[in-house]
Amino acid sequence: GENVEQHPSTLSVQEGDSAVIKCTYSDSASNYFPWYKQELGKRPQLIIDIRSNVGEKKDQRIAVTLNKTAKHFSLHITETQPEDSAVYFCAASPIATGTASKLTFGTGTRLQVTL
Amino acid sequence: DAGITQSPRYKITETGRQVTLMCHQTWSHSYMFWYRQDLGHGLRLIYYSAAADITDKGEVPDGYVVSRSKTENFPLTLESATRSQTSVYFCASQGRVNTDTQYFGPGTRLTVL
Repeated sequence: GENVEQHPSTLSVQEGDSAVIKCTYSDSASNYFPWYKQELGKRPQLIIDIRSNVGEKKDQRIAVTLNKTAKHFSLHITETQPEDSAVYFCAASPIATGTASKLTFGTGTRLQVTL
Repeated sequence: DAGITQSPRYKITETGRQVTLMCHQTWSHSYMFWYRQDLGHGLRLIYYSAAADITDKGEVPDGYVVSRSKTENFPLTLESATRSQTSVYFCASQGRVNTDTQYFGPGTRLTVL
């Protein structure tokens, strides 16, 4: 089955700096890669996702890049703010449109944005 | 987010007891999922369902039973709870048409003594 590795496990940045979280996956059939943000005691919430036919996707201060050849994808957060502090999870799934996305998650990165 | 709910939010039980965690969604989503979240493991898929009466195993199904008699409900039962099943359980749902996004419920924190 799929295996997703995520690094680093913890990341501390100063407000205004950029943060990068990296994930690798093992199953070449995976083609859907979402990122979830989870605040303490809350549910995971999707912040951005990418499909394998796209190399990069951006939404305001967050962006995701995908390298299918190397089987890795990354989350980039620019101009970090204290409210970005949370645990971030990457995930991967082999999915055809209209089918269930059986996600395999990474182990999470705890991002701390300091003033 | 209010469209998917879980109950109870907190549960303490004893080893060997049967426990049922409830999940309800109001979006008429076809797909529903159960995950458990443990430190160091992220979220792991227990079971999922593509429609009423259609369920399938995920990564860690042992010790769990699911059913889906109605589209909106997807209960998860621990037939004989063990301490290793102490965890936070999240239910999620996904629509069928033009979306890959899974929406998570608020979670149930289960403690097995």
